[in-house]
Amino acid sequence: EPEVTQTPSHQVTQMGQEVILRCVPISNHLYFYWYRQILGQKVEFLVSFYNNEISEKSEIFDDQFSVERPDGSNFTLKIRSTKLEDSAMYFCASSEARTGTYEQYFGPGTRLTVT
Amino acid sequence: AQSVTQPDIHITVSEGASLELRCNYSYGATPYLFWYVQSPGQGLQLLLKYFSGDTLVQGIKGFEAEFKRSQSSFNLRKPSVHWSDAAEYFCAVGAIPVRWGKLQFGAGTQVVVTP
Repeated sequence: EPEVTQTPSHQVTQMGQEVILRCVPISNHLYFYWYRQILGQKVEFLVSFYNNEISEKSEIFDDQFSVERPDGSNFTLKIRSTKLEDSAMYFCASSEARTGTYEQYFGPGTRLTVT
Repeated sequence: AQSVTQPDIHITVSEGASLELRCNYSYGATPYLFWYVQSPGQGLQLLLKYFSGDTLVQGIKGFEAEFKRSQSSFNLRKPSVHWSDAAEYFCAVGAIPVRWGKLQFGAGTQVVVTP
């Protein structure tokens, strides 16, 4: 069964450093998403991406964040200058989003630890 | 604004007993409703979804959920719990139309299964 994959599974970085989290969505999907889950808190929407542009973003997704689909398979989330509060599990998701129904398939997540 | 409430943070259930997890939502229109499960170290796996039609929906792993519009609820049930059902369960709501696909998650319910 097709699945969303994410690399790395765990990333440790120092405050102020740039990190890139990588995702390979399911191949025939059209919509891509990033969510994050701070330890002990809710899963929060960050951004959705369709047709090579951001469709919607949350308040969390400020200028320090960017997303890109650099080729036909990868979908990346970049944090330009990490802060301690960026420590969280980051989930990538994708959906086919055909008219009428859709469901989002999530990857296993990347645990980001900012020290 | 849409919101999702899962009143129970933690539930302990004996193996073989029935399980019901509560979810209440607040949304101005007909929502898309989902239940996801997260096992330790794993991503979010979709258990079931409700878009329209029959208000009792069947999912994977023997789970079912019932949409009750009058109560703004979408409770998840399983008649007989297995030890492998120990996990965290998230209710989520999505907008219709689903052009951008943002999901709003509840805080989650941690399920512990005892022998």
